[in-house]
Amino acid sequence: GQQVMQIPQYQHVQEGEDFTTYCNSSTTLSNIQWYKQRPGGHPVFLIQLVKSGEVKKQKRLTFQFGEAKKNSSLHITATQTTDVGTYFCAGWSSGSARQLTFGSGTQLTVLP
Amino acid sequence: DGGITQSPKYLFRKEGQNVTLSCEQNLNHDAMYWYRQDPGQGLRLIYYSQIVNDFQKGDIAEGYSVSREKKESFPLTVTSAQKNPTAFYLCASRDGNSPLHFGNGTRLTVT
Repeated sequence: GQQVMQIPQYQHVQEGEDFTTYCNSSTTLSNIQWYKQRPGGHPVFLIQLVKSGEVKKQKRLTFQFGEAKKNSSLHITATQTTDVGTYFCAGWSSGSARQLTFGSGTQLTVLP
Repeated sequence: DGGITQSPKYLFRKEGQNVTLSCEQNLNHDAMYWYRQDPGQGLRLIYYSQIVNDFQKGDIAEGYSVSREKKESFPLTVTSAQKNPTAFYLCASRDGNSPLHFGNGTRLTVT
């Protein structure tokens, strides 16, 4: 079945440093979504990428979708303590629109 | 306000007992999902339902059961057959190709 790998599992950064998490799928994805889960909370949708090579920005967050539609990344510039949480990628496979497979997540800690 | 309500927030049960987790949505979404989250891990799909009176097994359905008698409701029963039921359970819904909307989750502890 479809597998979505995400690295790193944990990342500690000093406030103001940049952060990147990477997501790789074993199959081609029709689209990829990113979610953020604050400690003790539930995942909240951030963004969806659909097109090959697509790049989207939300303030300090930059999301990329690979040319082959099998990988994606999230980059945060100049992290803040409000960025703390776990970031998940989730992909819909090209063959099915009913199951969303989540990566294992990257837990970000921002040290003040 | 529209949303997904999961209750209770915390649930404690003795081993060998069945327990039912509630999930209600007033978003008028057709599709509903149950995920399980273990510490330091991603979300794993237990069951999903695309329409009333129909549901499908996800990746880890063994030891769980669901029903979808009403559009708004998708309860999950954790049976005594589930070998390691202690986890954080998340219910979600979506409309068409929209992103998932999650409830606040139920943290189940079985001792």
